[in-house]
Amino acid sequence: SSELTQDPAVSVALGQTVRITCRGDDLRTYDASWYRQKPGQAPVLVIYDRNNRPSGIPDRFSASSSGNTASLTLTGTQAEDEADYYCNSRDSTGNHLLFGGGTKLTVL
Amino acid sequence: QVQLQESGPGLAKPSQTLSLTCTVSGGYISSGSYYWSWIRQPAGKGLEWIGYISYSGKTNYNPFLKSRVTISADKSKNQFSLKLSSVTAADTAVYYCARRATGYYSSYFDSWGQGTLVTVSS
Repeated sequence: SSELTQDPAVSVALGQTVRITCRGDDLRTYDASWYRQKPGQAPVLVIYDRNNRPSGIPDRFSASSSGNTASLTLTGTQAEDEADYYCNSRDSTGNHLLFGGGTKLTVL
Repeated sequence: QVQLQESGPGLAKPSQTLSLTCTVSGGYISSGSYYWSWIRQPAGKGLEWIGYISYSGKTNYNPFLKSRVTISADKSKNQFSLKLSSVTAADTAVYYCARRATGYYSSYFDSWGQGTLVTVSS
């Protein structure tokens, strides 16, 4: 069955660059979107349509995709970027939606 | 800017039906090519898509929940609702409503409610 796999946890030093990955066979066909979730808050869309940022999302957030892997990159990571990050896409039918298990980003 | 707000009982008894409503403001659920969705998150765990109702009234559900889920819409009130039957403790979660937008190969949730905690307990 379709699924999206993320590393459970990633850490990065303040000001450095970090990549968060999302793997799934259906990412060869469908684009991933990315969400940031801080404790006690609703998720917030940070990337959509391959590499577009909603208004208000800093340009240090970017995304890319290759084969079955989608990646979210934070360049010049800030303390306020510490959060859980989720990828989302469609399954093989194209009709159902999946979330990755989430990656907890720690900023050191 | 569209805003979504969940409402409903915060407690449901095992085997009964969980019912939630999402009120949309700043936009109409029957206009635009949007899909009005429900997503849940058990404490300390990840996000799970439950299902959606489209601007035209078409529904689509998570296959793992399909037998227990009904999503409907009331255009006159600009609301959409979730009913989840035969609930168990495993259905305890924060429930979010969200607006889904799509492209040919893309799909994303661009607006979310604040979420509401539903606990299943006797």
